[in-house]
Amino acid sequence: QKEVEQNSGPLSVPEGAIASLNCTYSDRGSQSFFWYRQYSGKSPELIMFIYSNGDKEDGRFTAQLNKASQYVSLLIRDSQPSDSATYLCAVITGNQFYFGTGTSLTVIP
Amino acid sequence: GAGVSQTPSNKVTEKGKYVELRCDPISGHTALYWYRQSLGQGPEFLIYFQGTGAADDSGLPNDRFFAVRPEGSVSTLKIQRTERGDSAVYLCASSLSGSGEKLLFGSGTQLSVL
Repeated sequence: QKEVEQNSGPLSVPEGAIASLNCTYSDRGSQSFFWYRQYSGKSPELIMFIYSNGDKEDGRFTAQLNKASQYVSLLIRDSQPSDSATYLCAVITGNQFYFGTGTSLTVIP
Repeated sequence: GAGVSQTPSNKVTEKGKYVELRCDPISGHTALYWYRQSLGQGPEFLIYFQGTGAADDSGLPNDRFFAVRPEGSVSTLKIQRTERGDSAVYLCASSLSGSGEKLLFGSGTQLSVL
């Protein structure tokens, strides 16, 4: 079983809609959770991190964490074509960062 | 420096050759990670340094891979007897302390083994 699982997509949403990206993790001891955005041919860029159960909002982005269900999600409101990228979920267990395979998002103008 | 710097940005080599990839982390960051990313995959952990020592090298695929960080700053990933399967983007990332701190990535080195 992989440490971090993501639906690879592709996920397509119209411009202005809400994009919902999901991630599950296997280790209940995982402490910290991150979302990275990766444009094609570029390196991952940190966009959100969350440590506690509940929601964390930053601009158009909301990260949601449910440790009981071992589930973390990212909502992107008012999606823009510039949000089209691969979104990587990352989880820290111990000192180890585990990444999912990423979900490809396309925002259609 | 202002960000994580990796050199070279591209490296083309022949099967069987030796290569070195360099990473210069953000100034003051004690934790340094190397990852490898193949097309359509997430970053795959290779090795983690805390200061000068390799705190976790469990991700190195075999003994052809080795990494050093002699002064606790710049790190070099060394690959001996390269194989075509080593072709990938090699990413370096650093964090302030490594204890749950966010990772910040360099722009990567695209390694192509012909």
